[in-house]
Amino acid sequence: AQSVAQPEDQVNVAEGNPLTVKCTYSVSGNPYLFWYVQYPNRGLQFLLKYITGDNLVKGSYGFEAEFNKSQTSFHLKKPSALVSDSALYFCAVREGGNYQLIWGAGTKLIIKP
Amino acid sequence: EAGVTQFPSHSVIEKGQTVTLRCDPISGHDNLYWYRRVMGKEIKFLLHFVKESKQDESGMPNNRFLAERTGGTYSTLKVQPAELEDSGVYFCASSQVPSNTEAFFGQGTRLTVV
Repeated sequence: AQSVAQPEDQVNVAEGNPLTVKCTYSVSGNPYLFWYVQYPNRGLQFLLKYITGDNLVKGSYGFEAEFNKSQTSFHLKKPSALVSDSALYFCAVREGGNYQLIWGAGTKLIIKP
Repeated sequence: EAGVTQFPSHSVIEKGQTVTLRCDPISGHDNLYWYRRVMGKEIKFLLHFVKESKQDESGMPNNRFLAERTGGTYSTLKVQPAELEDSGVYFCASSQVPSNTEAFFGQGTRLTVV
């Protein structure tokens, strides 16, 4: 069965430090991987995706994610965190050809000044 | 270009009542999805429309939930009668045809059943 795991409920990072939000997945076919962010009182906003090609994908607001097939991971990263990055981050996977998104439980990212 | 819009943003109803949620997708997006997030848990798929047809409704919890998409434009999700466990945030999303495209989400409807 398809699944996504975000092992950390919450990640705390000091402003200016690098941040990583972890995501691992399980699918039987080729994965399409996505990161979404939800700011307070807002909807889910697309950040970036991996479909094929370069394992390092760059997205909005300076975020990037690295697809690692052997570790079945798709961790979200940013070199220097901003207080405004504080939000709820969701990792999702779609098996190639399928439209349904399978979601992780979300990770609350808190950036402290 | 307008994004995905959902109405209402919040709804508080009593157990046994009926509630109808509405979603207006991005114009030209044939795919429309409903998802639900209950009490801080993971987001769960409910169903998927392609134009006016239900492509996949495997995530619908039970027959108290009815989704429609008249004319392939906006969609409604009706819960009748509502139960306490139906409380949560209901998200609608839309996307273009290829499955490798990202979905665009509305702000969600927070439903509280008391």
